[in-house]
Amino acid sequence: GAGVSQSPSNKVTEKGKDVELRCDPISGHTALYWYRQSLGQGLEFLIYFQGNSAPDKSGLPSDRFSAERTGGSVSTLTIQRTQQEDSAVYLCASSLGERDTQYFGPGTRLTVL
Amino acid sequence: AQKITQTQPGMFVQEKEAVTLDCTYDTSDPSYGLFWYKQPSSGEMIFLIYQGSYDQQNATEGRYSLNFQKARKSANLVISASQLGDSAMYFCAIQGDYKLSFGAGTTVTVRA
Repeated sequence: GAGVSQSPSNKVTEKGKDVELRCDPISGHTALYWYRQSLGQGLEFLIYFQGNSAPDKSGLPSDRFSAERTGGSVSTLTIQRTQQEDSAVYLCASSLGERDTQYFGPGTRLTVL
Repeated sequence: AQKITQTQPGMFVQEKEAVTLDCTYDTSDPSYGLFWYKQPSSGEMIFLIYQGSYDQQNATEGRYSLNFQKARKSANLVISASQLGDSAMYFCAIQGDYKLSFGAGTTVTVRA
C-alpha cells in the first residue's frame, strides 16, 4: 500500500507570496499531523486533525498559517504572506488512530527568498 | 509538558559493531509512548521502534532494540551489527496524547 505522500517536494517562493502544501495520508488513517523541521527549532508540532476536525492548532506559529482537511483524507497547509523565517521542511504524518504510530511523508522543502 | 533530551550530537561506529543512542525524557503523563525514527539524508522520517510506558518487556525490531528504564526515564536505542545504510540522523520522540515531541537528534556515521 502507498505511504504518506506530499506535494510539492520543493517549493521556492518570494517573500509575501502565499503557498499551499498538500498531504495525502495513508488510506484509512483517521489522524493527520503537520510538523515543521528547521535548523534552529528542530522538529515542531503544528496541527493535528482527527477526521476533518482540528482539535489542536496550538503549534501554528501565527495567523498566517492555516490548514484544512477534507473528506477525512487530503490535507492542505496554507501559509499566507510568506516570510523568510517560514523556510523549513514541512512534514506530514498520519496514524490509524490518535495514539497509534505516526508514519511520515517525504516532506516539502519550502524556501522563501 | 514533555521533553526529550538526546545528548550525543554525533557518533561514529565501525561497520558490524553495535551502537547505543541515548535518550532521556520528562513527562507528566501517566501513560505515554516512546518512539525512535531514522532520518537519512533523503529527509524522510522512518519509524523504527515503539515502547509503551506500561510494557514490561523491552521492544525489539530486527537489529533495533530499546533499552527502556522507566525509573530513570531513559529509552536508549541499540543498533546491532551496524551497516553502512544505518548512517543517518536518529530521533527519539515521546507521545502523551497524540502529538510527538522530538529530541534534537543524533547523527550516526557508519565507517567501513
